[in-house]
Amino acid sequence: QSVLTQPPSVSGAPGQRVTISCTGSSSNIGAGYGVHWYQQLPGTAPKLLIYVNSNRPSGVPDRFSGSKSGTSASLAITGLQAEDEADYYCHSYDRSLSGSVFGGGTKLTVL
Amino acid sequence: QVQLQQSGPGLVKPSQTLSLTCAISGDSVSSDTATWNWIRQSPSRGLEWLGRTYYRSKWNNDYAVSVKSRITFNADTSRNQFSLQLNSVTPEDTAVYFCARRIAALSDSFDIWGQGTMVTVS
Repeated sequence: QSVLTQPPSVSGAPGQRVTISCTGSSSNIGAGYGVHWYQQLPGTAPKLLIYVNSNRPSGVPDRFSGSKSGTSASLAITGLQAEDEADYYCHSYDRSLSGSVFGGGTKLTVL
Repeated sequence: QVQLQQSGPGLVKPSQTLSLTCAISGDSVSSDTATWNWIRQSPSRGLEWLGRTYYRSKWNNDYAVSVKSRITFNADTSRNQFSLQLNSVTPEDTAVYFCARRIAALSDSFDIWGQGTMVTVS
């Protein structure tokens, strides 16, 4: 059972907008630690999508955006494309565990 | 362009030691702005951070509580690589193992990942 909680799956039609939630606690997200998001295509390593809540690394399309409030964070994807079909993970730091923690992952299906 | 190249066996017998290496190109294992991490992924445990090694005037290692008694990291500056050793493995240690870089410039997110190594304990 992962420290950060994500929905197992979300889906949307091409062109639509979807959001993926990530819920933590007062020892991680709620303690003020940043949330990072990763995209993992089948058979590949995770790729950094969003860092510190809402920042995009160079090369990540602006269709991807992130936000954080209280003990939760969200990843939004607008203008869904078939190539967005992947697993998405959130990541933060947990002060009780003194280490990085991840969400269980959300599988995005583009209908 | 920073790249991480992993190497190591894909099959380990129970009770033996799992050893993996991650070779760095485009950065230095002795960098004072990066930490070098090991992460594993399995269907039962999801993504699990195992720990990190980094140099800040001296070498430092931080290990996840779940594996602290069985894990060791080492850095080899001459080969610009770092390694993982996990002792007394059981089938529960079967997973895809990744090495990954974290840098201060991206607020300690994992910005570069190795290709992953599927390790089966059997």
